[in-house]
Amino acid sequence: QKEVEQDPGPLSVPEGAIVSLNCTYSNSAFQYFMWYRQYSRKGPELLMYTYSSGNKEDGRFTAQVDKSSKYISLFIRDSQPSDSATYLCAMSGEGYGGATNKLIFGTGTLLAVQP
Amino acid sequence: GAGVSQSPSNKVTEKGKDVELRCDPISGHTALYWYRQSLGQGLEFLIYFQGNSAPDKSGLPSDRFSAERTGGSVSTLTIQRTQQEDSAVYLCASSLAWGPYEQYFGPGTRLTVT
Repeated sequence: QKEVEQDPGPLSVPEGAIVSLNCTYSNSAFQYFMWYRQYSRKGPELLMYTYSSGNKEDGRFTAQVDKSSKYISLFIRDSQPSDSATYLCAMSGEGYGGATNKLIFGTGTLLAVQP
Repeated sequence: GAGVSQSPSNKVTEKGKDVELRCDPISGHTALYWYRQSLGQGLEFLIYFQGNSAPDKSGLPSDRFSAERTGGSVSTLTIQRTQQEDSAVYLCASSLAWGPYEQYFGPGTRLTVT
């Protein structure tokens, strides 16, 4: 079993829809949670960065972390065709892996927003 | 300011040849990471630098892989005697310092071993 599980999709939604993307994880040492967006043949772009449990909002994006359930989510409101990309969750822990703070990634969810 | 840059953007090499991949981190970022992205495997950690030292090399898949960093800035990932299974996108990321800081990625080098 992978440390981080993410549904690969693809997920297709109409423009304007609310999108929900999720990851589950198994290691309780994870404390820092990130969402990256990756367009085709580009490097990952950091979207959201959260620490521990709770919500964080930035424009149309909301990240939620539920450490008790080992479950994180990214919500995209009023989705646009330009949001079409692969969304990667990533996480790390203080002292995890020998204090490297290396990121452990999900495999990514491919999102297509149809105009 | 400028982001993380990587070169070359694409590299095609024959099996058995050596390749060098370069990463220029964001200016002032002391931590540098190499990851590999393969189809079906997602992003995998390879090695981490703090300054010029590499406290964690645990992700390097074999002794054919090595990396160095000089002047606390530019890093080079070297793959010797390349194999077809080395074909992947090699991504470099940098962060402000060691610790729970955001990691910013470069565009990657797409390596194809024929």
